[in-house]
Amino acid sequence: EDQVTQSPEALRLQEGESSSLNCSYTVSGLRGLFWYRQDPGKGPEFLFTLYSAGEEKEKERLKATLTKKESFLHITAPKPEDSATYLCAVRPYGSGNTGKLIFGQGTTLQVKP
Amino acid sequence: NAGVTQTPKFQVLKTGQSMTLQCAQDMNHNSMYWYRQDPGMGLRLIYYSASEGTTDKGEVPNGYNVSRLNKREFSLRLESAAPSQTSVYFCASTQRQGNTGELFFGEGSRLTVL
Repeated sequence: EDQVTQSPEALRLQEGESSSLNCSYTVSGLRGLFWYRQDPGKGPEFLFTLYSAGEEKEKERLKATLTKKESFLHITAPKPEDSATYLCAVRPYGSGNTGKLIFGQGTTLQVKP
Repeated sequence: NAGVTQTPKFQVLKTGQSMTLQCAQDMNHNSMYWYRQDPGMGLRLIYYSASEGTTDKGEVPNGYNVSRLNKREFSLRLESAAPSQTSVYFCASTQRQGNTGELFFGEGSRLTVL
């Protein structure tokens, strides 16, 4: 069964304290791994797409990396405005051309000033 | 730029009542989706429409029906609401099926069934 697990469920950081969020996945074949950011009361907002092991993407203080079994979202010197829930999703081979994604349960990040 | 618009934003129903959640996108996207989000469960796909005129079941379709009214609009109907359908519902769209996975989401419809 295709599955996505994110850890930790919640993370509290001080401003400037770098850390990483983990996304472990089990799929029959990976057609893409995606990171989204979700602010309270809002819909998810797309951040990154990763397709193959070793690939990295960066955006401001965020860097996403991918291995054959997991992805990491590294947050360097976070600011309070980085506080949000970060969602990981995968598109397995079995999804065909439907664009269907399987989401993890998310990691809620709080950055204190 | 409106993007994906969902109505209503909040709704309270009694068990057995029916209602329709509306979704419209103005990005000329072909594919549209309905997800539900529950604490600790992540986003789960209810139904999707890969293109105008087609709809298919997702992971949790029981108790729901959908209509792809035209390219812009994709509605979700609860015929007889149950407390288990209390959730936050998100509509999403993407330019074409099988793309990069960049879904554009609405702000959600928060439904409580008493």
